Amino acid sequence: ILNVEQSPQSLHVQEGDSTNFTCSFPSSNFYALHWYRWETAKSPEALFVMTLNGDEKKKGRISATLNTKEGYSYLYIKGSQPEDSATYLCAFINDYKLSFGAGTTVTVRA
Amino acid sequence: GAVVSQHPSWVICKSGTSVKIECRSLDFQATTMFWYRQFPKQSLMLMATSNEGSKATYEQGVEKDKFLINHASLTLSTLTVTSAHPEDSSFYICSARGTLDNEQFFGPGTRLTVL
Repeated sequence: ILNVEQSPQSLHVQEGDSTNFTCSFPSSNFYALHWYRWETAKSPEALFVMTLNGDEKKKGRISATLNTKEGYSYLYIKGSQPEDSATYLCAFINDYKLSFGAGTTVTVRA
Repeated sequence: GAVVSQHPSWVICKSGTSVKIECRSLDFQATTMFWYRQFPKQSLMLMATSNEGSKATYEQGVEKDKFLINHASLTLSTLTVTSAHPEDSSFYICSARGTLDNEQFFGPGTRLTVL
């Protein structure tokens, strides 16, 4: 079992504010890191697949960075909106299997 | 595209009964599907990898006779929780691997409560 940690477990952010949170993972034998967005009662939705050290990916107001040497990734939400409220999961790929963190639950207050 | 459905979305059963959960890839063929379990406040934990036409590969600590997996077609995998007990109450979610090796598309999950 690979140790994938996400911090914080939950956070509240005011609408319009920006926020970020982290995912840490084993730095050895890195292959890829996934970020998912999971709304209540829906399927987890793939946000990013990150493979290269220094990678930075962006999808609308959400972006992510990757540091494979130190084993962490940041997810940023710029100008948070209520529809950004969800649990954000990161998952480390090893042997084609995903090892998940417990997620960061983001609540955006209007 | 890449939609995965899961049925039922929730189920309540008596202790000792068996429960079958279906996972379907609706608009693509999935040679590999994965079954995960999530306990409250914990990570999704991989239970088994299901390959079409062959036996599933179970993760360490997951009883294959307890959690029967069948992947009879390229669009359907089933998980049967046999002789369910209250400790099997959990959230079960499947995913299907897409055409790119790293992609997995998830179903919405099934909440199982065993009384």
